[in-house]
Amino acid sequence: QVQLQQWGAGLLKPSETLSLTCAVNGDSFSGYYWTWIRQPPGKGLEWIGEINLSGNTNYNPSLKSRVTISLDTSRTQFSLKLSSVTAADTAVYYCARRRSGTTPFDYWGQGSLVTVSS
Amino acid sequence: EIVLTQSPVTLSLFPGERATLSCRASQSVSSYLAWYQQKPGQAPRLLSYDASNRATGIPARFSVSGSGTDFTLTISRLEPEDFAIYYCQQRSNWPLTFGGGTKVEIK
Repeated sequence: QVQLQQWGAGLLKPSETLSLTCAVNGDSFSGYYWTWIRQPPGKGLEWIGEINLSGNTNYNPSLKSRVTISLDTSRTQFSLKLSSVTAADTAVYYCARRRSGTTPFDYWGQGSLVTVSS
Repeated sequence: EIVLTQSPVTLSLFPGERATLSCRASQSVSSYLAWYQQKPGQAPRLLSYDASNRATGIPARFSVSGSGTDFTLTISRLEPEDFAIYYCQQRSNWPLTFGGGTKVEIK
């Protein structure tokens, strides 16, 4: 059974860097895109970006200048860094899995609420 | 960027009624569309993918149809556990995008 377990700092000040990690249990990295998605309180879902085993990344242009997604293959973990955060980055952040060449996100992490406040 | 517009925003129905949810794309996404259900405090749950395939474990009362720009999710008879928010998502073009959601609430 595939499980995605995520963690990271939940409270940040404006201009700091958001950092989240997602551990993948029960599967390898091969054949998938490993993705970050966020959801501001009471709002819809926004795709942030993704990475595959080859290190190929795709980012949302709206966040590209501030986002880095990376893999740690030895630990089957992947991470999100979002720099220069503002209150607009307050959201629940999810990690998720998408099989390469397919549409859906079939497994999701539990979500991490990140609040940006001075 | 492909914009997905979901309608209605809110659907108020009684248990046992039929729910019809729409997702319209600003340009063709072929069949590369998925639907998700989300309940408060939970991650989204995959319902269907590539326009017409139900995900594993999803009851048969959920059906999907459409291609190109117009897609429909139908719940034939609403069960109490079906009251939730539903999102569509495309992967035809980057960035991957989601619709704004339809909330199915108890009337």
